Amino acid sequence: DVKVTQSSRYLVKRTGEKVFLECVQDMDHENMFWYRQDPGLGLRLIYFSYDVKMKEKGDIPEGYSVSREKKERFSLILESASTNQTSMYLCASNRGKGEQFFGPGTRLTVL
Amino acid sequence: GQNIDQPTEMTATEGAIVQINCTYQTSGFNGLFWYQQHAGEAPTFLSYNVLDGLEEKGRFSSFLSRSKGYSYLLLKELQMKDSASYLCAVRRGDTDKLIFGTGTRLQVFP
Repeated sequence: DVKVTQSSRYLVKRTGEKVFLECVQDMDHENMFWYRQDPGLGLRLIYFSYDVKMKEKGDIPEGYSVSREKKERFSLILESASTNQTSMYLCASNRGKGEQFFGPGTRLTVL
Repeated sequence: GQNIDQPTEMTATEGAIVQINCTYQTSGFNGLFWYQQHAGEAPTFLSYNVLDGLEEKGRFSSFLSRSKGYSYLLLKELQMKDSASYLCAVRRGDTDKLIFGTGTRLQVFP
């Protein structure tokens, strides 16, 4: 079974802090994704990586950056957290054009 | 532009059949996915359609009409555990990027 894990289920940070969200997948998938999910807005793509050190902006990249140094790990970085970044963050991975497998999510609260 | 529409909420009775519709307007359509998401959990894959027609998988079926920009997910013999949100997502062009609808929250009552 594909397993996608995320470093934390719940996280509370203060405005202006630098925040790292980590995602690891164990099925050698080349593609990895970061989404945020907000009520009434659905899942929105923040960044996408199709290979180690390769990344593409999604629909809402502002305020975020990503890092993919190893194939299995994809990190989302909030350089200076703001209250409007309070959200559920979901990581996903897939191979080729197949279905995406999602991690359990990190609920981030920025105070 | 890209737009996906789904009803926000639906209710149904245990044992019944429910159809959840999804309409989309997107350039470079290259397939449509349905995911199920229980409250507080990750979305899980249900079905994928890229050609017109019906795909059946147990109690769940999904239909696609590319000319109409329309899909539906059909759930038969509803069970209480089917209470969840159902997400429609469209693949854009020759990429792996998906655009998601806002989801349909289905409540199944005894």
